[in-house]
Amino acid sequence: QKEVEQDPGPLSVPEGAIVSLNCTYSNSAFQYFMWYRQYSRKGPELLMYTYSSGNKEDGRFTAQVDKSSKYISLFIRDSQPSDSATYLCARQAGTALIFGKGTTLSVSS
Amino acid sequence: EAQVTQNPRYLITVTGKKLTVTCSQNMNHEYMSWYRQDPGLGLRQIYYSMNVEVTDKGDVPEGYKVSRKEKRNFPLILESPSPNQTSLYFCASSFSGVRTYEQYFGPGTRLTVT
Repeated sequence: QKEVEQDPGPLSVPEGAIVSLNCTYSNSAFQYFMWYRQYSRKGPELLMYTYSSGNKEDGRFTAQVDKSSKYISLFIRDSQPSDSATYLCARQAGTALIFGKGTTLSVSS
Repeated sequence: EAQVTQNPRYLITVTGKKLTVTCSQNMNHEYMSWYRQDPGLGLRQIYYSMNVEVTDKGDVPEGYKVSRKEKRNFPLILESPSPNQTSLYFCASSFSGVRTYEQYFGPGTRLTVT
């Protein structure tokens, strides 16, 4: 079910940059959208989730869903070296999660 | 500490030798799931369980078995492993219903089948 497409990167930015990570999806029959963060050699962990459309902000992170264009975005302000990780977008499909392939981000100091 | 544990963390085995990867959670979650993660393919669901004695196939179930006899445990069984099952495996758990969006992942098991 390739219903969540994500550019794998890698993406390299300097410390302090604004980062934009994006996904597109094809099935509009679901409402929860998530961003998971995965550090090297670790399991993914939930970073943010949004219900339906609109924005959700948590500190330096903003998750955005545009249902009209089927676009999911994660913005990171004032990026830090500790943000270096792989970011996975996901959507909820009934009892399952469908993940994008992940975008690897590297923030250099 | 709330966590999902997996064992072993690393495993090298040979084709055809049955193996089991254990998964346990201490958060009283109803929902548990197994994923495999492969370069270029991302995370794909193998099997999931809504509760004790309730399991169902995910996207890539071929070659795998699971069981859910206790709420906290969800082992993954490879009856006859093959090289194409070489992968990084993750167990995850969550509360059921809409709260499956918040899944807690284990640390992963890296399996190599030669």
